[in-house]
Amino acid sequence: DQQVKQNSPSLSVQEGRISILNCDYTNSMFDYFLWYKKYPAEGPTFLISISSIKDKNEDGRFTVFLNKSAKHLSLHIVPSQPGDSAVYFCAANAGNMLTFGGGTRLMVKP
Amino acid sequence: DTAVSQTPKYLVTQMGNDKSIKCEQNLGHDTMYWYKQDSKKFLKIMFSYNNKELIINETVPNRFSPKSPDKAHLNLHINSLELGDSAVYFCASSQGVTYAEAFFGQGTRLTVV
Repeated sequence: DQQVKQNSPSLSVQEGRISILNCDYTNSMFDYFLWYKKYPAEGPTFLISISSIKDKNEDGRFTVFLNKSAKHLSLHIVPSQPGDSAVYFCAANAGNMLTFGGGTRLMVKP
Repeated sequence: DTAVSQTPKYLVTQMGNDKSIKCEQNLGHDTMYWYKQDSKKFLKIMFSYNNKELIINETVPNRFSPKSPDKAHLNLHINSLELGDSAVYFCASSQGVTYAEAFFGQGTRLTVV
């Protein structure tokens, strides 16, 4: 019973274009959402987060959108760069526990 | 000066053995975690310690025992290893237990043969 789902296991985009990574959740108790980026043989690193009281948070090339009614969030990367190629994990917080999605592998082609 | 370091990075061992994975953080955080990334790549929390006290203990076999000698360390001991324990184990730390971004170690790939 996966409470956080990333339905696209992989995504390929051209350098300079927009990358959109999606995440769906089922638990309405989640009140804080995070995106992590992971390179091979490394641990996940925090990228950006959003509180449930907001619908958008922006940090440079990265923007996270939250649609609470749809229980959906997305990460936009504009413009995409080859160095963005990694696995991206969506995570949701309820109480004192993070629940992670299964990850989406992003490949940015030069 | 790695923020969250865990050792070893790779661990290959036989079924039935007992092994430990060490984790140390130099960020001054008060909360540390152990996560397991299974074969399907899902990251699942196993344990969480805040100020050396256990606050999360998910459904994990009691063969797994975390030990926190101080706030900067959280070690994971695994007894009687089984094939299904093969996974990548990540240590992480954060300041506080909520609304905090966790910093992860590089992972320990455990292979039980």
